[in-house]
Amino acid sequence: GAGVSQSPSNKVTEKGKDVELRCDPISGHTALYWYRQSLGQGLEFLIYFQGNSAPDKSGLPSDRFSAERTGGSVSTLTIQRTQQEDSAVYLCASSSSPGLAGIKQFFGPGTRLTVL
Amino acid sequence: AQKITQTQPGMFVQEKEAVTLDCTYDTSDPSYGLFWYKQPSSGEMIFLIYQGSYDQQNATEGRYSLNFQKARKSANLVISASQLGDSAMYFCVMRAGNQFYFGTGTSLTVIP
Repeated sequence: GAGVSQSPSNKVTEKGKDVELRCDPISGHTALYWYRQSLGQGLEFLIYFQGNSAPDKSGLPSDRFSAERTGGSVSTLTIQRTQQEDSAVYLCASSSSPGLAGIKQFFGPGTRLTVL
Repeated sequence: AQKITQTQPGMFVQEKEAVTLDCTYDTSDPSYGLFWYKQPSSGEMIFLIYQGSYDQQNATEGRYSLNFQKARKSANLVISASQLGDSAMYFCVMRAGNQFYFGTGTSLTVIP
């Protein structure tokens, strides 16, 4: 079966532009997670969804970051007015276990974002 | 404060030998979870093993075992019979509260 997919795989944008990153979880997985991996900050947890609901948004780095999930499936992470420090690989994962009880998370290949 | 510490930036192990990757954590939450993930050079994160804070037994998954010492707040990963394909970055992760916390990782190289 298909794993977690993310698009685009690479995105180069100019500082100040908005970007949208997409995640397609494994079919039937109710929990979805976003992470960021950068040279400076290492791996960071951003947000998780249980169904379409994100109970805790405090992991988002700033109010320029937002995420939504519709139909309990696809999720988009939007970064407004991108800054150079937003450059990173954005990873998405999904799990069949609910919310933060998701023990085994399946990760996508990531979206590499470069802000010039 | 919630914190995960991996003090070994790089490790080498001979093929077929066992290796221990260190991880210590700090949390005031009574309920938490500890994970290990592997990230090969391809970049994909791969789940290895999980230990819940209330689990009495140390977790094992094939060649992977987690040496959980709650009083010492350590959750070391033991890989037995190392294989060349084990060469990768290994991350220790803690779930506490509504967040996941990552260590800085240990780069493991298996020598033939």
